[in-house]
Amino acid sequence: DTGVSQDPRHKITKRGQNVTFRCDPISEHNRLYWYRQTLGQGPEFLTYFQNEAQLEKSRLLSDRFSAERPKGSFSTLEIQRTEQGDSAMYLCASSFRVSTHAETEAFFGQGTRLTVV
Amino acid sequence: AQSVAQPEDQVNVAEGNPLTVKCTYSVSGNPYLFWYVQYPNRGLQFLLKYITGDNLVKGSYGFEAEFNKSQTSFHLKKPSALVSDSALYFCAVRDINPGNNRLAFGKGNQVVVIP
Repeated sequence: DTGVSQDPRHKITKRGQNVTFRCDPISEHNRLYWYRQTLGQGPEFLTYFQNEAQLEKSRLLSDRFSAERPKGSFSTLEIQRTEQGDSAMYLCASSFRVSTHAETEAFFGQGTRLTVV
Repeated sequence: AQSVAQPEDQVNVAEGNPLTVKCTYSVSGNPYLFWYVQYPNRGLQFLLKYITGDNLVKGSYGFEAEFNKSQTSFHLKKPSALVSDSALYFCAVRDINPGNNRLAFGKGNQVVVIP
């Protein structure tokens, strides 16, 4: 499978627990994005990486959210002290940026559905 | 700030009839525009994009979209809808400003194709 892979597909956790999601992008893609999607809404941007550098994180929902891409390949999204409002689908996407004005479209994974009980 | 409006929650169309899903956008500069489709329990699948050039863009599965700068619209169309086209459709926009790299999505339109 050469698409974007996310793990796990589903996660149920108790309020207050920490969770971590993993995303494996398409191998040659240098950009990786995290989005959150709640029911009835479109995906909402959270953060993105160019290789291993996190270039924008101002849209992370709170300081409980953090993301890493340590070697410029896979990425993890961690939510600490989860709250019921964190329940959502977390989507990862990747793309290849060729130059300043040239980037492929984003390819999305199937998402990780988080339920906080 | 960039944003997308998809004014209809649900679009119902009979199989074989033309399908149109509406999208209007707002960006500070020139836009990159995208359509994605989402099937139940699946990720978003890319359909087509407008970057520059011809205002009529053709994409996957017989879909096309027309960029209209004066109306700030990018409506998705298909001449003859199939039952298998029933899904959730998202329009997205990104400013071509290289400092802005995030896609802004609309809330989506549920398309129901009636046999």
